[in-house]
Amino acid sequence: DADVTQTPRNRITKTGKRIMLECSQTKGHDRMYWYRQDPGLGLRLIYYSFDVKDINKGEISDGYSVSRQAQAKFSLSLESAIPNQTALYFCATSDSLRASTGELFFGEGSRLTVL
Amino acid sequence: TQLLEQSPQFLSIQEGENLTVYCNSSSVFSSLQWYRQEPGEGPVLLVTVVTGGEVKKLKRLTFQFGDARKDSSLHITAAQPGDTGLYLCVPGGTYKYIFGTGTRLKVLA
Repeated sequence: DADVTQTPRNRITKTGKRIMLECSQTKGHDRMYWYRQDPGLGLRLIYYSFDVKDINKGEISDGYSVSRQAQAKFSLSLESAIPNQTALYFCATSDSLRASTGELFFGEGSRLTVL
Repeated sequence: TQLLEQSPQFLSIQEGENLTVYCNSSSVFSSLQWYRQEPGEGPVLLVTVVTGGEVKKLKRLTFQFGDARKDSSLHITAAQPGDTGLYLCVPGGTYKYIFGTGTRLKVLA
């Protein structure tokens, strides 16, 4: 099983619908991240969390919200999806004990299409 | 927010050629990481460079951290189709990971 698991892997929805993407990890890491990737482009940080009580906005947080339900779970919500939120979304984790050189571990991605 | 610019943005080469891609910033970093993302997958760490002037080799890939720790390069010798992917740099030692713009490499057989 993957260390960082994202569900769903693919989702097609309509404009105005509420969507939740879920991420769970078995690595025991305290830090978790949500990124967005548009076709042919790099990764942009949406939100990040350093522990259950710590949530921070990233580069492009407008239109998104997150919830850190437990150390191992970090969910991304689109309250009212719009077509330009069509993208590939990645969850990632890291270990704060290795903050200076720590590796980011990514999930396999969730492809979201908003019609 | 620090900005990491990567160049070139796109690169298409023939198998066996050599190439270099760059990651540049006006900021000084305590470390810098390179990731590779293959189609349909999440990025995977290739290397972390920590010391100014440091050179690390990973088979045919050579990574260098600039003396002033503001920039880095990745050189691939005798590129192979398996090197195809998106190469991303990101500064380490920060409380969040803001990636560079990326270089998309395609190696043709």
